[in-house]
Amino acid sequence: KNEVEQSPQNLTAQEGEFITINCSYSVGISALHWLQQHPGGGIVSLFMLSSGKKKHGRLIATINIQEKHSSLHITASHPRDSAVYICAVPIQGAQKLVFGQGTRLTINP
Amino acid sequence: EAQVTQNPRYLITVTGKKLTVTCSQNMNHEYMSWYRQDPGLGLRQIYYSMNVEVTDKGDVPEGYKVSRKEKRNFPLILESPSPNQTSLYFCASSPGTSGGAWNEQFFGPGTRLTVL
Repeated sequence: KNEVEQSPQNLTAQEGEFITINCSYSVGISALHWLQQHPGGGIVSLFMLSSGKKKHGRLIATINIQEKHSSLHITASHPRDSAVYICAVPIQGAQKLVFGQGTRLTINP
Repeated sequence: EAQVTQNPRYLITVTGKKLTVTCSQNMNHEYMSWYRQDPGLGLRQIYYSMNVEVTDKGDVPEGYKVSRKEKRNFPLILESPSPNQTSLYFCASSPGTSGGAWNEQFFGPGTRLTVL
């Protein structure tokens, strides 16, 4: 079993739909990263959160430390949101990152 | 412009021919790291560095070497590349010696390596 599990692995939706991507982890950490990988391959950091909720524009990330679960939401989705979304977890006691497998999101116009 | 640069962006080589992929950042970050990305396996950490002269293994260090002689540079060395090292490689940096993996990660553009 992977230490960091994302679901779904693939998601196709219509423009305007509300999107939810989930990340569950078994390692004992207290923070989590959400990353976005563009179709061209570049990776950008969206959020790093250790509690509660963060919001940037139409993106919202939540984390529940007790349940070891995080969600990334996209409101009013747009074709430009099409990308792979990856969660990553720092390993407690080390400076290592463990990654989920990624969720490939496709938003159709 | 604040950025992480990698060179080369694309490389095709042959088994056993030593190569170096360079990584440089201009943000004065303490933490730097190398990852490889493979279909079905996602991103995996190869090596990381907390600061100059401080490096440590990630999850897949076999076949790779790194050095951190200067704060801005963190080259990845493949002394005898093999076909199973064909992959997409990313370098990243972040601020903070006490929590590099807990801070925002800044990624380079990636290097696509093919070993024949």
